[in-house]
Amino acid sequence: GQQVMQIPQYQHVQEGEDFTTYCNSSTTLSNIQWYKQRPGGHPVFLIQLVKSGEVKKQKRLTFQFGEAKKNSSLHITATQTTDVGTYFCAAWSNTGNQFYFGTGTSLTVIP
Amino acid sequence: GAGVSQSPSNKVTEKGKDVELRCDPISGHTALYWYRQSLGQGLEFLIYFQGNSAPDKSGLPSDRFSAERTGGSVSTLTIQRTQQEDSAVYLCASSSGGRGGGYTFGSGTRLTVV
Repeated sequence: GQQVMQIPQYQHVQEGEDFTTYCNSSTTLSNIQWYKQRPGGHPVFLIQLVKSGEVKKQKRLTFQFGEAKKNSSLHITATQTTDVGTYFCAAWSNTGNQFYFGTGTSLTVIP
Repeated sequence: GAGVSQSPSNKVTEKGKDVELRCDPISGHTALYWYRQSLGQGLEFLIYFQGNSAPDKSGLPSDRFSAERTGGSVSTLTIQRTQQEDSAVYLCASSSGGRGGGYTFGSGTRLTVV
């Protein structure tokens, strides 16, 4: 079945360093969403990207959707300890009946 | 309600027993989703409801799992003859429908099968 892969699986950064997670699909996506899950918490919706090549920013977070709509990235500038958590991308299956989450990237920020 | 409500928050059950997990979505949200998350793992899609209808049940791990939604609102996920590998956090999410917009998750039910 369709899978949405994320890399890296884990990332440790010093506070103040930048962080990027990448999401890749073998098929064209209609749109892609990003979620953040804090340790012990539940996923919280961050943003949705729809258009080819779309770029959206939320303060220190920058989200991109690839031109071919098969990949996406989330970049955090100057990480803070509050950024700790697992970041998931998510997208609909080709059949439109399943909403898949990526494998997630767990971010640890070292103060 | 203001958010997605799931009950119980924690459930410990003996192997072989049946359990029923409940999800109360945000009022007016027509789409409802169930996921399973094992410790330190990603989210495994189980089932999706649009209204009371589930277009695709293939994500359910086995025939011991079933889900229903009535009145376009509350949904229940039932696991029969629970096994230890069923232990996980079961998360429910809802949205206003279609493929647009984000989904709001409940806090989950932590199921432990002993």
